[in-house]
Amino acid sequence: GAVVSQHPSWVICKSGTSVKIECRSLDFQATTMFWYRQFPKQSLMLMATSNEGSKATYEQGVEKDKFLINHASLTLSTLTVTSAHPEDSSFYICSARLVSGNTIYFGEGSWLTVV
Amino acid sequence: EDQVTQSPEALRLQEGESSSLNCSYTVSGLRGLFWYRQDPGKGPEFLFTLYSAGEEKEKERLKATLTKKESFLHITAPKPEDSATYLCAVQEHSGYALNFGKGTSLLVTP
Repeated sequence: GAVVSQHPSWVICKSGTSVKIECRSLDFQATTMFWYRQFPKQSLMLMATSNEGSKATYEQGVEKDKFLINHASLTLSTLTVTSAHPEDSSFYICSARLVSGNTIYFGEGSWLTVV
Repeated sequence: EDQVTQSPEALRLQEGESSSLNCSYTVSGLRGLFWYRQDPGKGPEFLFTLYSAGEEKEKERLKATLTKKESFLHITAPKPEDSATYLCAVQEHSGYALNFGKGTSLLVTP
């Protein structure tokens, strides 16, 4: 079964509104989680690294005020897309690192469509 | 310059026709090299992590190998259900995030 759960699986929102995506690690604690986005037929692009109890580290070109990341517990990280625009429509995927063994599991992804 | 280059971009095989996928990488210090399988519209499914040159890992019809410059994913006697995109990613010593290649789209026909 899935070890990383994402919710919602898909969401449609109006332009200018905000939407939150949750990423939960199941059965293990994740001090570090990662957020990626993937455009059709392209690979995964790292957006930010989410560390429990501290500020996220964003990749170059990713607006931290637009993509708010919160990692408030060892099993939950959230990504909030603020003031969403149609160009933010994408497939957002989170992953969590299993500390023992360094395995990194991915969630099922969340499809965001901004209309 | 891309750190991770996968080839071929797409591969079509007959059922039972074995082949290999390539992942070439350029990093200053490799912590680990990861292989994932991704089905359309889904998140990547973990397959293997390799840490040092010469290391090999197997899972059913898949076998991953690692050298200092590249990794191969060998698929032996593939079945149609092996059809997917196979992603390679590197993890550097400087952190734990993964840097992905563009993937190889594999289609296995009956």
